[in-house]
Amino acid sequence: KAGVTQTPRYLIKTRGQQVTLSCSPISGHRSVSWYQQTPGQGLQFLFEYFSETQRNKGNFPGRFSGRQFSNSRSEMNVSTLELGDSALYLCASSLVGYGLAGGSGSLLTDTQYFGPGTRLTVL
Amino acid sequence: GIQVEQSPPDLILQEGANSTLRCNFSDSVNNLQWFHQNPWGQLINLFYIPSGTKQNGRLSATTVATERYSLLYISSSQTTDSGVYFCAVLWMNRDDKIIFGKGTRLHILP
Repeated sequence: KAGVTQTPRYLIKTRGQQVTLSCSPISGHRSVSWYQQTPGQGLQFLFEYFSETQRNKGNFPGRFSGRQFSNSRSEMNVSTLELGDSALYLCASSLVGYGLAGGSGSLLTDTQYFGPGTRLTVL
Repeated sequence: GIQVEQSPPDLILQEGANSTLRCNFSDSVNNLQWFHQNPWGQLINLFYIPSGTKQNGRLSATTVATERYSLLYISSSQTTDSGVYFCAVLWMNRDDKIIFGKGTRLHILP
């Protein structure tokens, strides 16, 4: 089974530009989550898409957006890039992601598989 | 918001040694995850463990939700265990849904 792929692997942009990153999940996985990793802030959760809908979102400004297609591939977009957006962007795919189980409120969980990441440098 | 603290921040051990990594969190959570990021940056989801104990080979994890901490045990360390271990707490009904700790950097010497 092919793993999670992310493209591009490396990207250099300048302030004010916008960027689109792509994540192709493992076949059959419906959940794609995105994370940002920086030396200063560490790992932070951006958002999760499940069946083409944004299901969960972290505390990031509206410049960070995403979408998911019917084949579960996901893209994230960052507009008006700032120097602080320089980071490693990771995506992860899983069967059920961060879903709540019916009325119980308990969290559905299964193993997440991470891609190699896209390293974005903003100059 | 919820605070997640990991200790120790750094750990250097000889191959074959055992280690215990700790994750403290400041409020009740829906779930807790442990991750390993190898020296090349690849992140691996190790465990979901909201409470109790789980084992997977040489790795095991225990979460005591009432006391708000989780422990990751690595036995008979190998050089491939090197990297950074992160815990993350999941709090899906709040704005800060998933909060990561700063990690424990583990270096296993051959």
